[in-house]
Amino acid sequence: GEDVEQSLFLSVREGDSSVINCTYTDSSSTYLYWYKQEPGAGLQLLTYIFSNMDMKQDQRLTVLLNKKDKHLSLRIADTQTGDSAIYFCAVLSGTYKYIFGTGTRLKVLA
Amino acid sequence: DTEVTQTPKHLVMGMTNKKSLKCEQHMGHRAMYWYKQKAKKPPELMFVYSYEKLSINESVPSRFSPECPNSSLLNLHLHALQPEDSALYLCASSQGFGNEKLFFGSGTQLSVL
Repeated sequence: GEDVEQSLFLSVREGDSSVINCTYTDSSSTYLYWYKQEPGAGLQLLTYIFSNMDMKQDQRLTVLLNKKDKHLSLRIADTQTGDSAIYFCAVLSGTYKYIFGTGTRLKVLA
Repeated sequence: DTEVTQTPKHLVMGMTNKKSLKCEQHMGHRAMYWYKQKAKKPPELMFVYSYEKLSINESVPSRFSPECPNSSLLNLHLHALQPEDSALYLCASSQGFGNEKLFFGSGTQLSVL
């Protein structure tokens, strides 16, 4: 089955850039997604990229997709303390079957 | 309105109780999902309803019983749960074409004693 992996933890200083990485095994997903989860809350869609694209920029967020290496990344520019959360990448593995990555806990130090 | 509303936010139940979780959306979405999330883990898919019909059941134990009374509502009926079923239960919805954005509710934190 589909396997989606992320590094568990990332710590950055406020104002720096954060880069969260994701690798996946199945490349059939038409879209690839990034979600953010704050403590005690549900998941919030941050951004997504169409599988035919290499890059997508959305304000402070930049998504890079390397289909050859099955690698997805999310760059957050000028990281703020409010960005502290868990970030999940997600891909589709069959109709309606979203598979979430293991999650990366981002801690932003003031 | 881009909101998925879940009630209750917290639930404590004994192993012999029967309870229900509720989920509602008014975005006109035709696919609705139940996920289970343990602490520090990703959400795991339980059920998907598409156009009010059960499309996916990820081999979930029968003590969890989903119901979709109409296109806006999704319930999860709970009976004879085990302590290991304690988790955050998340509802989500999407347009219904099978390859689009998920919108999540804030979840029900369930504790089984």
